[in-house]
Amino acid sequence: AQKVTQAQTEISVVEKEDVTLDCVYETRDTTYYLFWYKQPPSGELVFLIRRNSFDEQNEISGRYSWNFQKSTSSFNFTITASQVVDSAVYFCALSEAEEYGNKLVFGAGTILRVKS
Amino acid sequence: EAQVTQNPRYLITVTGKKLTVTCSQNMNHEYMSWYRQDPGLGLRQIYYSMNVEVTDKGDVPEGYKVSRKEKRNFPLILESPSPNQTSLYFCASRPGGFWGTDTQYFGPGTRLTVL
Repeated sequence: AQKVTQAQTEISVVEKEDVTLDCVYETRDTTYYLFWYKQPPSGELVFLIRRNSFDEQNEISGRYSWNFQKSTSSFNFTITASQVVDSAVYFCALSEAEEYGNKLVFGAGTILRVKS
Repeated sequence: EAQVTQNPRYLITVTGKKLTVTCSQNMNHEYMSWYRQDPGLGLRQIYYSMNVEVTDKGDVPEGYKVSRKEKRNFPLILESPSPNQTSLYFCASRPGGFWGTDTQYFGPGTRLTVL
């Protein structure tokens, strides 16, 4: 069965520090999709990135970057030069392409607090 | 604007009083689903729908019902709410039915408290 583990329950950093959020997943499928969502204090879920299992290229978007490593079943998220506005709960999620329903399985989330 | 809407956003109710949380999307998406978010557990799927009149249970369906009579709407029904259903609820949709793998987009959430 698919599973996503975010071992870091809460991380606190000072503004401008770099921070990496860890995500480890389990799946038996060869085709799957990994996601990161951000949940700011206002509560909505904001989609950040989607990565399929055949694309191991790292992705960079501004201050955000993602490191996908199939060998370690990890999909880590790094924020460079963190800002107070980055304070949020971040969820990693997995979807298996061949599972009926294509549900998203979420990790428990990591609370990121960025202090000024 | 493409969006998923939910109503109400906040609701406090009492045990046993039937309630419905509405969800609507304007993107003509086939797939819609409901999740609940609880501390330390992330989000868990309650029910999902591949298309009109096609619904199925997710991981935590007990105490909930859904219907999909129209493509755009996917209401979540709690026939007899209990305190353990106090949670933050999200509706989501994406294009594609059975084999769709596109990103799911989420509504703003409904915070439900059952006293």
